Amino acid sequence: AAGVIQSPRHLIKEKRETATLKCYPIPRHDTVYWYQQGPGQDPQFLISFYEKMQSDKGSIPDRFSAQQFSDYHSELNMSSLELGDSALYFCASSLERGRNYGYTFGSGTRLTVV
Amino acid sequence: AQKVTQAQTEISVVEKEDVTLDCVYETRDTTYYLFWYKQPPSGELVFLIRRNSFDEQNEISGRYSWNFQKSTSSFNFTITASQVVDSAVYFCALRADDYNQGGKLIFGQGTELSVKP
Repeated sequence: AAGVIQSPRHLIKEKRETATLKCYPIPRHDTVYWYQQGPGQDPQFLISFYEKMQSDKGSIPDRFSAQQFSDYHSELNMSSLELGDSALYFCASSLERGRNYGYTFGSGTRLTVV
Repeated sequence: AQKVTQAQTEISVVEKEDVTLDCVYETRDTTYYLFWYKQPPSGELVFLIRRNSFDEQNEISGRYSWNFQKSTSSFNFTITASQVVDSAVYFCALRADDYNQGGKLIFGQGTELSVKP
């Protein structure tokens, strides 16, 4: 079965650079969530999209932006990277914002800022 | 406000011991969903179980079992006869059924389980 695809798997950037993380949800899933997991931390909700519209927003820095495209894939854009942005970034997809459905997580993108 | 608390930060057991991971949640919603995820050292989040607030039946899946008690707002997870491969961080999570919240998951702090041979 198709899973949630995240790319790249690993990314190394320098401070003040930009990064773009991509997420391809399970086919026909209309909802995408982004989470950030720092070392030794629990996943923190960043932002979500439902039917290509922003659905909810969490503790996402202003330096970050995201969108969901017409094919339902999503991209998380991160600018002016800081050392503290080093983390594992997860994307999850679901149907109808997870109501009556589960969530499928991608394998994550490990971002290292040096 | 929604909150999930996993008070046990780390647990260490010897193989074949039983171990229970605690999860306490807070929500004002009458309809909600509870989850457990396993995060092995490789980093991915592996789905274990989803339970809705109307279903208080306990569930058993092989060596895994879950005890859901609304009266104490707890959703505890027990591994029977633990194995080294069970070593991982385990997260409990809550999804409220609030239309405005977009269905996001709120995670507990996680419990790191170490099973020694």
